[in-house]
Amino acid sequence: RKEVEQDPGPFNVPEGATVAFNCTYSNSASQSFFWYRQDCRKEPKLLMSVYSSGNEDGRFTAQLNRASQYISLLIRDSKLSDSATYLCAVFRGGSYIPTFGRGTSLIVHP
Amino acid sequence: NAGVTQTPKFQVLKTGQSMTLQCAQDMNHEYMSWYRQDPGMGLRLIHYSVGAGITDQGEVPNGYNVSRSTTEDFPLRLLSAAPSQTSVYFCASSFSGNTEAFFGQGTRLTVV
Repeated sequence: RKEVEQDPGPFNVPEGATVAFNCTYSNSASQSFFWYRQDCRKEPKLLMSVYSSGNEDGRFTAQLNRASQYISLLIRDSKLSDSATYLCAVFRGGSYIPTFGRGTSLIVHP
Repeated sequence: NAGVTQTPKFQVLKTGQSMTLQCAQDMNHEYMSWYRQDPGMGLRLIHYSVGAGITDQGEVPNGYNVSRSTTEDFPLRLLSAAPSQTSVYFCASSFSGNTEAFFGQGTRLTVV
């Protein structure tokens, strides 16, 4: 089992839809979690951190489920501009550098 | 604010050639890393550094060399380029472990 796994998609949704992605991790000692957004042919950029208590930023909600070892990203009221690849990043316990998932592709269509 | 700067943005090499990908950050970050990104493979860690003078191998280090003589710079050397090294390379830095990573714009490398 890969250390960090994501469904590559693509998730093809209409504008205004709600979509959710999961990212599973294998190391139960993992401590910190992030979601990044990557536009085509661009560098990844931080979308949001994932806290134990959850985190909400506008239309985006990130949650952590330690018992089942996954993090999630929920996007409400999808916009065309949300079309991108969403990468999760996980820090294993004692690791200084994150491990990234392969990314989930989201396509929002009119 | 420059952030993380990578040069060059594009490069074509012939098999067997060597070259250095440059990475510099102006945020006084201790942690720096190099990733390669291939279709369907995500970001794979090549080498990383937790401070000047300290480097370590990541998931796919073979064929690459790094050094960290200053806090700002973390060059990646391809010793003898191979077609399998055709990829997009990203440099990243972070203030400390477990914190947000900032990425450079990437270097698109083609080895023919």
